[in-house]
Amino acid sequence: RKEVEQDPGPFNVPEGATVAFNCTYSNSASQSFFWYRQDCRKEPKLLMSVYSSGNEDGRFTAQLNRASQYISLLIRDSKLSDSATYLCVVNRDDYKLSFGAGTTVTVRA
Amino acid sequence: GAVVSQHPSWVICKSGTSVKIECRSLDFQATTMFWYRQFPKQSLMLMATSNEGSKATYEQGVEKDKFLINHASLTLSTLTVTSAHPEDSSFYICSATTGGAAFDQPQHFGDGTRLSIL
Repeated sequence: RKEVEQDPGPFNVPEGATVAFNCTYSNSASQSFFWYRQDCRKEPKLLMSVYSSGNEDGRFTAQLNRASQYISLLIRDSKLSDSATYLCVVNRDDYKLSFGAGTTVTVRA
Repeated sequence: GAVVSQHPSWVICKSGTSVKIECRSLDFQATTMFWYRQFPKQSLMLMATSNEGSKATYEQGVEKDKFLINHASLTLSTLTVTSAHPEDSSFYICSATTGGAAFDQPQHFGDGTRLSIL
């Protein structure tokens, strides 16, 4: 079983729509969770950390469910610029990270 | 702040060539640097962890004699792909952190090196 699994998508949504997707992780001892954004042929960029109580950053909301070992990301009022691959990232131990293969989101005009 | 520069951004070489990739932290001291490889439509796979002044720690399945890592200073780590072959063609990305647990010190990524071996 992969350490981090994501639905690859793609999720094709119109501008202004809400899109949400999950990822699951296998290591129950994981303590740090992140969503990164990766544009085509570019490096990953940190979108947001995910906290136990859930957190919001503008149009982005992240949730963590430790019991079921999944993390979700919701994007409200989608913009064309939100088109990217979203990587779910979980720590393997104190400082190493495991990356999911990414969920591709395409926002169309 | 927290800028990581990677060079070169794109390399095309003949099979058998050795290729050196540099990863620099420009505005902070990176105690730990990580080297990842990403094949198309796949996740980033950690290759090795590099701590300044000590030998790199390689992940299972990664040949340390094939992928030489040097972390000679707190701002520079290098990855040398020795005698590269077409199957080594990939996107290589470094990241740097000031150390500590992942939830305290995020990793800052370089902009990646696309390696193509003909």
